[in-house]
Amino acid sequence: GDSVTQMEGPVTLSEEAFLTINCTYTATGYPSLFWYVQYPGEGLQLLLKATKADDKGSNKGFEATYRKETTSFHLEKGSVQVSDSAVYFCALLDYGGSQGNLIFGKGTKLSVKP
Amino acid sequence: NAGVTQTPKFRILKIGQSMTLQCTQDMNHNYMYWYRQDPGMGLKLIYYSVGAGITDKGEVPNGYNVSRSTTEDFPLRLELAAPSQTSVYFCASSSDGPYNEQFFGPGTRLTVL
Repeated sequence: GDSVTQMEGPVTLSEEAFLTINCTYTATGYPSLFWYVQYPGEGLQLLLKATKADDKGSNKGFEATYRKETTSFHLEKGSVQVSDSAVYFCALLDYGGSQGNLIFGKGTKLSVKP
Repeated sequence: NAGVTQTPKFRILKIGQSMTLQCTQDMNHNYMYWYRQDPGMGLKLIYYSVGAGITDKGEVPNGYNVSRSTTEDFPLRLELAAPSQTSVYFCASSSDGPYNEQFFGPGTRLTVL
């Protein structure tokens, strides 16, 4: 079945460092891809999404490009801040079934030190 | 605008006990979802609802029941709690199905001993 694989965490960076969180997927069709973020003590929030190959999602300085040839959707940010400390989840929308189903990776915890 | 609220935040149950996890949204969303997140794992869909009176199973429904009598509320019932149900439970809602952004509650951490 469809699945999402994220890089293992935790990831610890200094403020203003470059961030990459790797995400790869397997899917039988053409899924939509998402990054969700969970700040401490809060629920998940949609960070960005891409619905077709070569689309780039972006929000709050984060970017991810839907790469069909490498089945990847890596999250990047050029200069992280302490406030970016959170758990990041990659997810795909499986269009199988009557309503579709979000399939999540395990999450990657990011800690940014001042 | 409170968004999606969940109660309780934490709960410890003994094996065989029952409980209901409450979920309420004030965004008038038709779609609502229940997920569980086991340690070190991604979220898995338990049940979902596309509107009042309509519910359907997700990937891991065994041991749970749901109801949807109003647009706002989507309670999750655990009957005969088992240690395997120790997890963090998230409720979510969306306006027009999973293709659109899902809004999540803060979660309920449940431990079954």
